[in-house]
Amino acid sequence: QQQVKQSPQSLIVQKGGISIINCAYENTAFDYFPWYQQFPGKGPALLIAIRPDVSEKKEGRFTISFNKSAKQFSLHIMDSQPGDSATYFCAARGTDKLIFGTGTRLQVFP
Amino acid sequence: NAGVMQNPRHLVRRRGQEARLRCSPMKGHSHVYWYRQLPEEGLKFMVYLQKENIIDESGMPKERFSAEFPKEGPSILRIQQVVRGDSAAYFCASSSRANTEAFFGQGTRLTVV
Repeated sequence: QQQVKQSPQSLIVQKGGISIINCAYENTAFDYFPWYQQFPGKGPALLIAIRPDVSEKKEGRFTISFNKSAKQFSLHIMDSQPGDSATYFCAARGTDKLIFGTGTRLQVFP
Repeated sequence: NAGVMQNPRHLVRRRGQEARLRCSPMKGHSHVYWYRQLPEEGLKFMVYLQKENIIDESGMPKERFSAEFPKEGPSILRIQQVVRGDSAAYFCASSSRANTEAFFGQGTRLTVV
């Protein structure tokens, strides 16, 4: 019940395309859903986050869609750029800690 | 305002030695979280600490691993008698309060030879 399932494991997108990463959870007590971006050799950096009372949040080219009834949320990267190539982690916060998905390695080719 | 500082960035230990990983949270942050990341895997929660208190250690192995966050100084993750399987990247994150944004450090990459 504490798991967050993330897919796909890897994603290859052409420059200018849309990257979509999906996550699902089971614990209805989760109250905060952030996405982190991690470059090789670096720590995860907070990208965008959403709370369950909102169905969508957009910041620049990044959008989170949240479906509370299905217990799913997704990250959409519009107009994907080579600089977006990184590993993306979804997460969900329980009572006191973040539970992370297994990550999606995104490669954007020019 | 410096971010979360972890040191060392890289640490090599022989099997059986002790590893000490340090984490200085962001200024004004009193909540610290430790995560472990194995190659090509996600981040696994280890322990959550506030100043002088362990709040949640449900992800810590029962033996050889310990963590502290003293009143003064950085948080320390200590691994005694390291084994090859302890080789991983260890990340620390901090937040100003419980249930607020957590910011990660650059990690310590531990290699056990």
